[in-house]
Amino acid sequence: AQKVTQAQTEISVVEKEDVTLDCVYETRDTTYYLFWYKQPPSGELVFLIRRNSFDEQNEISGRYSWNFQKSTSSFNFTITASQVVDSAVYFCALSEARTGNQFYFGTGTSLTVIP
Amino acid sequence: DGGITQSPKYLFRKEGQNVTLSCEQNLNHDAMYWYRQDPGQGLRLIYYSQIVNDFQKGDIAEGYSVSREKKESFPLTVTSAQKNPTAFYLCASSSGVNEQFFGPGTRLTVL
Repeated sequence: AQKVTQAQTEISVVEKEDVTLDCVYETRDTTYYLFWYKQPPSGELVFLIRRNSFDEQNEISGRYSWNFQKSTSSFNFTITASQVVDSAVYFCALSEARTGNQFYFGTGTSLTVIP
Repeated sequence: DGGITQSPKYLFRKEGQNVTLSCEQNLNHDAMYWYRQDPGQGLRLIYYSQIVNDFQKGDIAEGYSVSREKKESFPLTVTSAQKNPTAFYLCASSSGVNEQFFGPGTRLTVL
């Protein structure tokens, strides 16, 4: 069974629009970690954020914000006032305390920001 | 600068050949990983190592081999047994349960 689901395969928005990337996860562990990564066309994955299961506070970093809701097992990522440089593939990932360092990645959402 | 290096960036292999992809890190991380990414798809775990001289198979280990003789190095060999090796290969490292840091990747093409 897929532990991390990113249902949106591709999204296109016009520059300056807000966009939300969805991530739904599945785990039986009470201690787990959630991550978002950005993969620009160059290919290297860039770490964006890490959240542990005991911290449901939403986080904002500039134009980026994350909404963690345990009740719906979701960890959504919103980009406000999107820019062309935001065009990339975004991956959500889950790590469980039980399995140590092993990551489970979603299939990614390809975001295109149109100027 | 601390980070992860992978070489080569592009690699071409003839069918039936073994090739080795290099991954080096100077972050002093205990754990290292190899992932495979196919076009339009997510990352699939090939092998991972949590400590020197120890490694475990991931979801798609068949046709691949690794070694972890040094903390800094985790080379991946793509053997002739791997039937469809053309892909983008990413190496990563981490410390404890923290985020994984990724290298720039190696794009392998079988001719």
